[in-house]
Amino acid sequence: KAGVTQTPRYLIKTRGQQVTLSCSPISGHRSVSWYQQTPGQGLQFLFEYFSETQRNKGNFPGRFSGRQFSNSRSEMNVSTLELGDSALYLCASSLGALDTQYFGPGTRLTVL
Amino acid sequence: TQLLEQSPQFLSIQEGENLTVYCNSSSVFSSLQWYRQEPGEGPVLLVTVVTGGEVKKLKRLTFQFGDARKDSSLHITAAQPGDTGLYLCAGPNYGGSQGNLIFGKGTKLSVKP
Repeated sequence: KAGVTQTPRYLIKTRGQQVTLSCSPISGHRSVSWYQQTPGQGLQFLFEYFSETQRNKGNFPGRFSGRQFSNSRSEMNVSTLELGDSALYLCASSLGALDTQYFGPGTRLTVL
Repeated sequence: TQLLEQSPQFLSIQEGENLTVYCNSSSVFSSLQWYRQEPGEGPVLLVTVVTGGEVKKLKRLTFQFGDARKDSSLHITAAQPGDTGLYLCAGPNYGGSQGNLIFGKGTKLSVKP
């Protein structure tokens, strides 16, 4: 069974631009969670989607948004990028809300 | 708000040494998970402990869940350079802005040959 895939793996953007990251969960998994990981803050929860509905959202500004499609694939978007948005963005999929989460390799975003 | 605190934050040892890392909370968890993350990759699940006092072994790694289900430890015997990585503990969070799984900040382990 294929694992969680994330595209692109690396991304370089400049301040003020916007970016879209993609996540394809494990087949059959309906829950997708997004995390931001930085050396100082660790893994911070962004949001969780289940069956195309956002069920939970972390404490991030409205510039961070996401969506999930009917095939469970998910995208997250960050608008008006700031230097502090540089991070590893991780996507994790699970069968249900509190089931084991399986992580993708992440997208490394660098904002210049 | 549930918190998981991990210690030490950094650990640098020589190949062949033993080590223990800790994951503590003031809250009771129904289960705790341990992940290992290598640089530039996502965390990979190592084990889930669900019963207070439970001990699980994965080759040279021994995981223990505290009797009160508020803490867990990971012991590595005869560490090898391949054990290098960030070790994260995580526990289920029932609602709130932290998501379904909350993470400690991790222990960054470096094993030198």
